Amino acid sequence: RKEVEQDPGPFNVPEGATVAFNCTYSNSASQSFFWYRQDCRKEPKLLMSVYSSGNEDGRFTAQLNRASQYISLLIRDSKLSDSATYLCVVNNNAGNMLTFGGGTRLMVKP
Amino acid sequence: EAQVTQNPRYLITVTGKKLTVTCSQNMNHEYMSWYRQDPGLGLRQIYYSMNVEVTDKGDVPEGYKVSRKEKRNFPLILESPSPNQTSLYFCASSSAGEETQYFGPGTRLLVL
Repeated sequence: RKEVEQDPGPFNVPEGATVAFNCTYSNSASQSFFWYRQDCRKEPKLLMSVYSSGNEDGRFTAQLNRASQYISLLIRDSKLSDSATYLCVVNNNAGNMLTFGGGTRLMVKP
Repeated sequence: EAQVTQNPRYLITVTGKKLTVTCSQNMNHEYMSWYRQDPGLGLRQIYYSMNVEVTDKGDVPEGYKVSRKEKRNFPLILESPSPNQTSLYFCASSSAGEETQYFGPGTRLLVL
């Protein structure tokens, strides 16, 4: 079983739609959680951290469920520019060492 | 401009011909890391370094070497490349205690 698992997609949604991704992690000792965004053939970039109480940044909402060991990302009012691969990332309390999920691809269509 | 740079960005080589991919950051970060990204496997860590002269293996270190003689540089060395090392490679850095990692633009390597 992979340490961090994501549905690879692609998720094809129309502009303006709300879309949600989930990610599960296997290490119950994991401490920190993130969503990174990766555009095609580009480097990953931090989208947002995920806090226990849940957090929101504009159209993006991230939530953490420690009991079930999953993380979610909700995107409201999807834009064409949201088309990318979204990487779920976990820090297993080993300094700066991050474990990446395989990514979920989102395609927003006009 | 704060950045992580990698060179070369694209490389085609042949089996067994030693190569080095350079990585440099100008943010005075202590932590640097190398990843490879393959379809269906995501990003996997090859080696990391917590500071100068401190390096350690990641999840997939076989066939790779690194060095950290200076804080800003963290080269990745393939002594004898093989076709299974064909991949997209990313270097990343972060400040000690800060978990956000900043990635370089990537190096696309093809080993024939």
